[in-house]
Amino acid sequence: EDQVTQSPEALRLQEGESSSLNCSYTVSGLRGLFWYRQDPGKGPEFLFTLYSAGEEKEKERLKATLTKKESFLHITAPKPEDSATYLCAVQVLPGGYQKVTFGTGTKLQVIP
Amino acid sequence: NAGVTQTPKFRVLKTGQSMTLLCAQDMNHEYMYWYRQDPGMGLRLIHYSVGEGTTAKGEVPDGYNVSRLKKQNFLLGLESAAPSQTSVYFCASSYGLANEQFFGPGTRLTVL
Repeated sequence: EDQVTQSPEALRLQEGESSSLNCSYTVSGLRGLFWYRQDPGKGPEFLFTLYSAGEEKEKERLKATLTKKESFLHITAPKPEDSATYLCAVQVLPGGYQKVTFGTGTKLQVIP
Repeated sequence: NAGVTQTPKFRVLKTGQSMTLLCAQDMNHEYMYWYRQDPGMGLRLIHYSVGEGTTAKGEVPDGYNVSRLKKQNFLLGLESAAPSQTSVYFCASSYGLANEQFFGPGTRLTVL
């Protein structure tokens, strides 16, 4: 059975204190791994897609990386506005069935 | 460009009542999805559609029906609501199966 596990469940950082969020997965065949940001009371907002091990993508203070077993979302010098829940999701092969499995998220709080 | 919109934002039902949630997107996306989000469980796919006039079951379809009569709209129906259907419902759309999904703001449903 496909599984996606995110850790930690919650993370509290001081402004400027860099850290990483983890998304580990066990799937039969990875088609793509997605990172989303979700603010309270809102729908998830797309951040990145990673397709193959070794791939990296960056956006402002965020950098996502992918290995064969896990993905990391690195946050460099975070600001209070980075506070949100970060979700990862994996899409598996075969693609005939729409199978995207979401993790339960990491709730990040950045304190000024 | 409104993106993905959902109606209503909040709703309270009594057990056994019926209702329809409306999702609309203005991005000309082929794929549309309905998810539910419950604490500690992540987003779970209820039903999805790969184009106008098509629908398919997701991970947790029981108790729900859907229709996609127009490309821009995707309706989620509850014929006889149960307390277990208390949740936050998100609609999403995507250009293709392997592309990122764009989410609506959600509908918070409480079934008493």
